[in-house]
Amino acid sequence: GNSVTQMEGPVTLSEEAFLTINCTYTATGYPSLFWYVQYPGEGLQLLLKATKADDKGSNKGFEATYRKETTSFHLEKGSVQVSDSAVYFCAGITGANSKLTFGKGITLSVRP
Amino acid sequence: NAGVMQNPRHLVRRRGQEARLRCSPMKGHSHVYWYRQLPEEGLKFMVYLQKENIIDESGMPKERFSAEFPKEGPSILRIQQVVRGDSAAYFCASSHRLGQGVGWTEAFFGQGTRLTVV
Repeated sequence: GNSVTQMEGPVTLSEEAFLTINCTYTATGYPSLFWYVQYPGEGLQLLLKATKADDKGSNKGFEATYRKETTSFHLEKGSVQVSDSAVYFCAGITGANSKLTFGKGITLSVRP
Repeated sequence: NAGVMQNPRHLVRRRGQEARLRCSPMKGHSHVYWYRQLPEEGLKFMVYLQKENIIDESGMPKERFSAEFPKEGPSILRIQQVVRGDSAAYFCASSHRLGQGVGWTEAFFGQGTRLTVV
């Protein structure tokens, strides 16, 4: 079956540090891949997406590139802010009748 | 262009009562997902529905839980005879599917219903 694996957390960084959150996927076929963010007490918001190999999704300074050769979709940001503190979920979907599959999520805390 | 609407936002039920959670998808969306989230845990898939059809219910507990998405009206997640362990945040998401050539579309989430069983 399809699965998404995220690195273990939580992650604590100082403001302006570089962020990488790893995500790899296992799927039959070619998935579309997503990063979602959840702020405290809220629902999930789509952060960025990529629908085919070599696509780069970007939003709010975050980037992720769909790497078919390594089956990865790592999330990066060059300089994090305190307001980026949230839970980040990697997700993928592969077909018309397949569900949107999430990784376990990772909590990011950014210190001033 | 309203987003995914869930109600109620907070629901308190006594053990043994029924809980009904409602989800109105975004306009034009014909697919709905339900997920459960426990504190400090990730999202657990429950069920995936298309209008009048259950596509995947592999995450639904076999007893007390049911879901529907009728032709008209919101999707409903029903939990009968609730127990303390049902206390969680329940999230609904909706999407509409495009063909494989242009990629599968993302799902948009509601704000969730926080169920507390006392």
